[in-house]
Amino acid sequence: GAGVSQSPSNKVTEKGKDVELRCDPISGHTALYWYRQSLGQGLEFLIYFQGNSAPDKSGLPSDRFSAERTGGSVSTLTIQRTQQEDSAVYLCASTLLGSNQPQHFGDGTRLSIL
Amino acid sequence: DAKTTQPPSMDCAEGRAANLPCNHSTISGNEYVYWYRQIHSQGPQYIIHGLKNNETNEMASLIITEDRKSSTLILPHATLRDTAVYYCIASDSNYQLIWGAGTKLIIKP
Repeated sequence: GAGVSQSPSNKVTEKGKDVELRCDPISGHTALYWYRQSLGQGLEFLIYFQGNSAPDKSGLPSDRFSAERTGGSVSTLTIQRTQQEDSAVYLCASTLLGSNQPQHFGDGTRLSIL
Repeated sequence: DAKTTQPPSMDCAEGRAANLPCNHSTISGNEYVYWYRQIHSQGPQYIIHGLKNNETNEMASLIITEDRKSSTLILPHATLRDTAVYYCIASDSNYQLIWGAGTKLIIKP
């Protein structure tokens, strides 16, 4: 596809369950970002992958959150033992190598923890 | 990254130019000004970015003051589909953009 694809678009789960969110970046984009957006708020940075470099995990809110990027393409964000405060829209973005290139976003996964 | 300040909301009549201001008084010399917008239930969409010079593309124009402490995004002929939250971000790279609450722009018929 032409854009960043995220799945599922919506996820409802019970507190304490694990969830996996998937992001397919634009083909050829070497950098991939995960953000979290609570209702009515701006985006909160979570994690950043760039090529084969070690990811920048400085935005992950707790050790329940982890992310992988396999083969330099698809990424999975995993939240273990979900809590109600994890409810938010999780957004993925990708960009070309090089500074100042704009980020291209998917439409996000809306996660609701019951 | 420099902090940016935007009005929380603005209205504009359909067909008129929408002028969205942004203050970034602490911006440093190597920081770009980026504008994104987010339409309800969608991911943010890149609009335009610039360093010193004014920029124009098919979506909008970006006017940056000579001292670079503020900028204005101009949508020349606003349509109802331009109703969205508009984010102004100052950063020295496209990495780890710091997002504020943005300006909610409402285009009225």
